Amino acid sequence: GAVVSQHPSRVICKSGTSVKIECRSLDFQATTMFWYRQFPKQSLMLMATSNEGSKATYEQGVEKDKFLINHASLTLSTLTVTSAHPEDSSFYICSARVRANNYYEQYFGPGTRLTVT
Amino acid sequence: RKEVEQDPGPFNVPEGATVAFNCTYSNSASQSFFWYRQDCRKEPKLLMSVYSSGNEDGRFTAQLNRASQYISLLIRDSKLSDSATYLCVVNVFSGGKLIFGQGTELSVKP
Repeated sequence: GAVVSQHPSRVICKSGTSVKIECRSLDFQATTMFWYRQFPKQSLMLMATSNEGSKATYEQGVEKDKFLINHASLTLSTLTVTSAHPEDSSFYICSARVRANNYYEQYFGPGTRLTVT
Repeated sequence: RKEVEQDPGPFNVPEGATVAFNCTYSNSASQSFFWYRQDCRKEPKLLMSVYSSGNEDGRFTAQLNRASQYISLLIRDSKLSDSATYLCVVNVFSGGKLIFGQGTELSVKP
C-alpha cells in the first residue's frame, strides 16, 4: 500500500502554545488528505478534509481558526493546533486518498500523540 | 442510529479458532467498504477492501450484502498476532470521508 508519514510522532507542549504537525505522502501525490483525532477508547473522528491548493473543509464542531490546515503541495499537508489547551491532548492521524481500480482507498500516517500540559 | 455499527466485543478466542465480525451500515447509497485493523496506540492499517462479490486474502474473507447493508470479516486459524481492534469502514461517496464503526476488539490467546 501507499506510504504516509507524519512528524512529529510525539509532542509535549505547554498550554497556550501552537503545535504544527506534518503529513506527507512518500511515494505518491495526494490531492486530498484527511485529518482525524482519536481519544482513548474511542473511534477516529474526522476533523477536516484537506485539498491541495484550496481551503480545507471542516467537520461540524471543529474550529477552523484553532485547527489551521494548509495543503500547499501534492505531498504535504500540515495541521497547526493554535493556542493548545489540555483538552486538545489527543492522537492526531492523517490519511491520504489513493485511487484503486474504481474507487479510492485511504492510507493512514503513523499518528502524532499530542500532550498539552 | 449510528451510521456504522459493530459489536465492540471483546472477542477472546484461542489460537487456531475461526472468528467472525459483523457490521451494519445505515446509508444505502454507500459505495465502498473496508476493514482496517488498529493495534493499541497505532494508526489504522488497511486490511481489506470489500467487494460486492466477496473477497479472500489468505486467512481473511470479507463479504458484503448490499440488500441487508451488512459487511462481515471472517478470520480462520487465528494467530496471536491477529489480536487488535478491527474497524468496519464505509465510504458513502467514493473518495470522500470515511465513516468508522467503533471497532471490535479481538484477543487471541495461546
